[in-house]
Amino acid sequence: GQQLNQSPQSMFIQEGEDVSMNCTSSSIFNTWLWYKQDPGEGPVLLIALYKAGELTSNGRLTAQFGITRKDSFLNISASIPSDVGIYFCAGSFNDMRFGAGTRLTVKP
Amino acid sequence: ETGVTQSPTHLIKTRGQQVTLRCSSQSGHNTVSWYQQALGQGPQFIFQYYREEENGRGNFPPRFSGLQFPNYSSELNVNALELDDSALYLCASSPGTIRSYEQYFGPGTRLTVT
Repeated sequence: GQQLNQSPQSMFIQEGEDVSMNCTSSSIFNTWLWYKQDPGEGPVLLIALYKAGELTSNGRLTAQFGITRKDSFLNISASIPSDVGIYFCAGSFNDMRFGAGTRLTVKP
Repeated sequence: ETGVTQSPTHLIKTRGQQVTLRCSSQSGHNTVSWYQQALGQGPQFIFQYYREEENGRGNFPPRFSGLQFPNYSSELNVNALELDDSALYLCASSPGTIRSYEQYFGPGTRLTVT
């Protein structure tokens, strides 16, 4: 089963709002990654984090690798309709574990 | 640069049958991982192949097996299919370097077991 707790499960926001989601684990990870999945497609890598405390941006997306190595968050600023989809966190130590996803809906 | 491709797109099988799913990795990638994604869930790691050898396995029974070929393409075989095997099967490739966890996914094969 899943070892990552991802929250919230779903979010309904207005276009232009900022979004924040996070992932926690009882185990430490060496790498945290964030993916986005659109219907009928495979997950697409958004951001990869390799060091505790690391803060990385990719356009309007910002993600951080928690100091304890047991958590990570993803922020999306000024959301737009194409941000709609399911966002997954993933952590790796010897293999890759995924959270259950955060379903984001953006109302124009 | 060609991305990860998977075939077939959809498949319907009967309980007890066997199935083979195929994956072509992204150009330059020598590591392939397979995942099972049930509806409404995140992907679950099945196994990984690096240079034709299994390089890690998740909590799946031995009836899930795989192969990687010299061109780094890969197959996932599932024997004695069960209803719970119905899922989206995802293949992901990575460059096999220090950043091997930057995995690039294919569109998946939707398997339905009846």
